[in-house]
Amino acid sequence: EVRLWESGGGLFQPGNSLRLSCTPSGFTFTKFAMSWVRQPPGKGLQWLSAISASLRDTNYADSVKGRFTISRDNSKNTLYLQISSLRADDTAVYYCVKDRLGVTTGNFDSWGQGTLVTVSS
Amino acid sequence: QSVVTQPPSASGTPGQRVTLSCSGSRSNIETNNVYWYQHLPGTAPKLLIFNNNQRPSGVPERFFGSKSGTSASLTISGLRSEDEAHYYCATWDDFLRGVVFGGGTQLTVL
Repeated sequence: EVRLWESGGGLFQPGNSLRLSCTPSGFTFTKFAMSWVRQPPGKGLQWLSAISASLRDTNYADSVKGRFTISRDNSKNTLYLQISSLRADDTAVYYCVKDRLGVTTGNFDSWGQGTLVTVSS
Repeated sequence: QSVVTQPPSASGTPGQRVTLSCSGSRSNIETNNVYWYQHLPGTAPKLLIFNNNQRPSGVPERFFGSKSGTSASLTISGLRSEDEAHYYCATWDDFLRGVVFGGGTQLTVL
């Protein structure tokens, strides 16, 4: 069974940085593209960033370019999302998501349970 | 404001058929596959439809996806109370070079 475990959420001060991690199990991590998606309170799903299986391609939503950095360590089977200059509107549940293919398509067949990030002073 | 739009709400009674719409443009829906997700509060979103009209294993045949031009639809037949959820369409956008989600439709089963 595919499982995705997010960690690294919590309460953060505006202006600080954080790194979210995602540890998968139940599939061959190195074969699939991965994404991060978030849901702010009371709002819809927002795709943030993706990285291909080969690490060759990374993509970002325009709204997060420059502040968010996606990476993966295929030797450690871990996906990361680094967020800098945190703002109150970064408050959201952050989901780690597996794509069905090695490149990003939006075909997200497995989702983690999410980790809550709250940005507040 | 998403480049892919969905009506914010829809409703139906048990047993009815409802259709949820998703409208985009040439750079996204028209030229790429559409995916539909069901999201119940407090749970992880679930893939309902992939590649416009394919159902993953375990998704009932009551859920039907279609696409025509720059629009896509999700039709739910034999509506049940457990279908009450938020439904999101998603696709790749060639211009933005990223995945775009619609704003979501909250389906209420009356």
